[in-house]
Amino acid sequence: NAGVTQTPKFRVLKTGQSMTLLCAQDMNHEYMYWYRQDPGMGLRLIHYSVGEGTTAKGEVPDGYNVSRLKKQNFLLGLESAAPSQTSVYFCASTKDRPYYEQYFGPGTRLTVT
Amino acid sequence: AQTVTQSQPEMSVQEAETVTLSCTYDTSENNYYLFWYKQPPSRQMILVIRQEAYKQQNATENRFSVNFQKAAKSFSLKISDSQLGDTAMYFCAFITNFGNEKLTFGTGTRLTIIP
Repeated sequence: NAGVTQTPKFRVLKTGQSMTLLCAQDMNHEYMYWYRQDPGMGLRLIHYSVGEGTTAKGEVPDGYNVSRLKKQNFLLGLESAAPSQTSVYFCASTKDRPYYEQYFGPGTRLTVT
Repeated sequence: AQTVTQSQPEMSVQEAETVTLSCTYDTSENNYYLFWYKQPPSRQMILVIRQEAYKQQNATENRFSVNFQKAAKSFSLKISDSQLGDTAMYFCAFITNFGNEKLTFGTGTRLTIIP
């Protein structure tokens, strides 16, 4: 039982490049989330999904897209990376509603130059 | 808007001592949930403790306990007999349960346990 995994762990992009971050969970959780963590700002919700085939915007969705084609996977895409997207990205999942424990992945450190 | 405030950016304490991290929140809802998450240097966030607002009894998990003051909208975390492994960032988080899918996090407190 690996829990929540994220790929890749580190990435450096040039401005304007695109990439996809993969989150996978093996706990059969319905809800999945993408957060970004910036110094002094805690975690901010980018997008989330309440089930396979669904996605919704969070607090800071601009510049990101997501897809949840399979229940166990939640993809976060950056179509045209900007330096402001330099951050640590965390994926999380929860069994049901978000007032239960969220299980987090180890994070992806992304640098956009 | 719902907000969570952690007023102590950094704290340090000697090993084996007790330390209290503060958290205040703002909401007009009556039913909600509060959390403390720990983020060690390895970066992976893990749940420390969870409190349901309708429960008057303070939650405890081994050396970790909370002081939940609903009227004051305060939710502090007490760590007893602190250990070196408690060194981490600690985030207070909050969510209501009325169609709200967004967990709101505070800005965190960096706790260092000194040997």
